[in-house]
Amino acid sequence: GAVVSQHPSRVICKSGTSVKIECRSLDFQATTMFWYRQFPKKSLMLMATSNEGSKATYEQGVEKDKFLINHASLTLSTLTVTSAHPEDSSFYICSARARTTGYQETQYFGPGTRLLVL
Amino acid sequence: AQTVTQSQPEMSVQEAETVTLSCTYDTSESNYYLFWYKQPPSRQMILVIRQEAYKQQNATENRFSVNFQKAAKSFSLKISDSQLGDTAMYFCAFMILNAGGTSYGKLTFGQGTILTVHP
Repeated sequence: GAVVSQHPSRVICKSGTSVKIECRSLDFQATTMFWYRQFPKKSLMLMATSNEGSKATYEQGVEKDKFLINHASLTLSTLTVTSAHPEDSSFYICSARARTTGYQETQYFGPGTRLLVL
Repeated sequence: AQTVTQSQPEMSVQEAETVTLSCTYDTSESNYYLFWYKQPPSRQMILVIRQEAYKQQNATENRFSVNFQKAAKSFSLKISDSQLGDTAMYFCAFMILNAGGTSYGKLTFGQGTILTVHP
């Protein structure tokens, strides 16, 4: 099956610094990638939709200037948490939509990145 | 807007027995997909099963099957012969297909059900 990687798997940073998380589709091209945030034992909350070569579409309530998303190629999307604060500590998951036609729509998920802001 | 509801926060089952997880959804759309995803303690999201709304036949994948009731907007997951490795959080999810049959891929998730399989 299709593989999506995320790097780093976990990161600890100081308050006020910025952190970049990478999401890569390893064996397929992804025109669309999604970024989610998940709190312990809770559901996935969609933060934004990242389309290759265009600006990301953010969900209501998500700060665009705080969570910068770049989708520079068909295999890479990045999420940068700027001026991180302890309340940004969470588990961040990306997923990638395979570039297919027809009806077999599937999202492939990365393994997630645990962010801890001190 | 679409909503997905999983009314069972936690479930438990003995190994080798059968368990059913409930999911209901609300939408005015007629063309969509429904999914069950599994998230084990590793937190890697794994696709368990998919159902296209236009198909009347219930999807099955080995020990996993669904009961899709479109009129009732219900999509339950049955796990047969439960195994210890089935212990995970299970999410029901919904995806709209646009009029052309392709979708933007946006998933709406339910709250999740924590399933524990006991030896």
